[in-house]
Amino acid sequence: LAKTTQPISMDSYEGQEVNITCSHNNIATNDYITWYQQFPSQGPRFIIQGYKTKVTNEVASLFIPADRKSSTLSLPRVSLSDTAVYYCLVGENRDDKIIFGKGTRLHILP
Amino acid sequence: EADIYQTPRYLVIGTGKKITLECSQTMGHDKMYWYQQDPGMELHLIHYSYGVNSTEKGDLSSESTVSRIRTEHFPLTLESARPSHTSQYLCASSDVPGQGSDTGELFFGEGSRLTVL
Repeated sequence: LAKTTQPISMDSYEGQEVNITCSHNNIATNDYITWYQQFPSQGPRFIIQGYKTKVTNEVASLFIPADRKSSTLSLPRVSLSDTAVYYCLVGENRDDKIIFGKGTRLHILP
Repeated sequence: EADIYQTPRYLVIGTGKKITLECSQTMGHDKMYWYQQDPGMELHLIHYSYGVNSTEKGDLSSESTVSRIRTEHFPLTLESARPSHTSQYLCASSDVPGQGSDTGELFFGEGSRLTVL
């Protein structure tokens, strides 16, 4: 599994767009980039996954540059309920051992 | 919504007792996982399973044991609970990519919060 580096914490305000960047310099050819969201006292929840370029769903967008050594999770127009920990994971979809790092603690202010 | 269930949700128990945390999923997933997480801290993988009769240790050493006799069940047992075992235990499952899920995403249960006095 490729090692990932994310900011420990971020603050933003309601209505803003939030971008969380993850570095993964050692990403392998077969690796995908996956983001999870975790609220307090709950298990993480899958948000989005991508391999290259841009992926968008109803929750977020994921931007991946051509060299794939980093990725950016973009949350449009955040609300207080987006306050959570966001984890960036890099690995093959067939990986059996799925390791979560420290994640980014996002705090949305009114 | 994910169909993965953990019981009990909360357990307060004395030192030395044997406990079993249950985890069941109805999605037919081959892969199952146990994570341990203290409040405000990161998730640590303690056990995982590829399928029936397979179990492996995760990255964090744990005194707990697991079994996988049936696809849908992945119970975790502590033979003699200690205060250091106080934590939240999260169970998860995932499909094999190409067999229903392209992403191999994890589905988590609601967790079992264990307190050992």
